[in-house]
Amino acid sequence: NAGVTQTPKFQVLKTGQSMTLQCAQDMNHEYMSWYRQDPGMGLRLIHYSVGAGITDQGEVPNGYNVSRSTTEDFPLRLLSAAPSQTSVYFCASRGYTEAFFGQGTRLTVV
Amino acid sequence: GENVEQHPSTLSVQEGDSAVIKCTYSDSASNYFPWYKQELGKGPQLIIDIRSNVGEKKDQRIAVTLNKTAKHFSLHITETQPEDSAVYFCAASRSPGTASKLTFGTGTRLQVTL
Repeated sequence: NAGVTQTPKFQVLKTGQSMTLQCAQDMNHEYMSWYRQDPGMGLRLIHYSVGAGITDQGEVPNGYNVSRSTTEDFPLRLLSAAPSQTSVYFCASRGYTEAFFGQGTRLTVV
Repeated sequence: GENVEQHPSTLSVQEGDSAVIKCTYSDSASNYFPWYKQELGKGPQLIIDIRSNVGEKKDQRIAVTLNKTAKHFSLHITETQPEDSAVYFCAASRSPGTASKLTFGTGTRLQVTL
C-alpha cells in the first residue's frame, strides 16, 4: 500500500506566489488533515476534513485553503505565500485510531 | 481546546540506558493518547498508544503510563539503541475515532550515544 502520498517533497516560492500541496491516501479513510511543523512548536493543525465535501479550520488556518472533493484527495492551497509560511507540511489520514502521515513537503518562501 | 505540554525538548542517553519523556494535557475529556516517532526526513509514525481505561501498556522495549487524575502520561524506552534516536511526539484526543482531532506536544529529540 502507498499509504499517504504528498507532492512535492521540496518547493521554493517567492513571496506572493500561490501553489497547491497535493495529498492522496489509498486507505479509504474519512478523516484527513494538514499540519505544519516548525522548530520547537511541534505539529500544528492547519485544516482538517471528516469526509468528502466537509472541511474545517484547525489551529493555524490563515493563509491556507482546502477542499475535499473525493475521499482520496485533500489538497492544501497557499493563496499568497509569505515568509512566515516557510515550514515543513505534513498531510495525515486517520482510521479509527492511528493517524498515518505522508513524507512531508519542505516549503521555503523567499 | 486541548493543550499538550511535553518535556524535555531534548534528551541524550547512553546506549543501554532508559529514556523517559513526559506529557501533560489539559482537557479532562481526552481519553486517547498516542506516541509518534519521527525519523529524520520522514513523517511521524505511531509507536504505541493508550486509552484512558488502561494505566499502562507495554510493547517490547517501550511502555506508556497514564495517570488520568494528574492528567499526565509518559513514554518509557528501556535498553536504548542508536536506532531509537529520533524526535518523539505525544498527542491527545477526546476519543479514538475519525472525527477526533489530535493535539500534539512540541516534541522531544532523543539522542542515543554509543
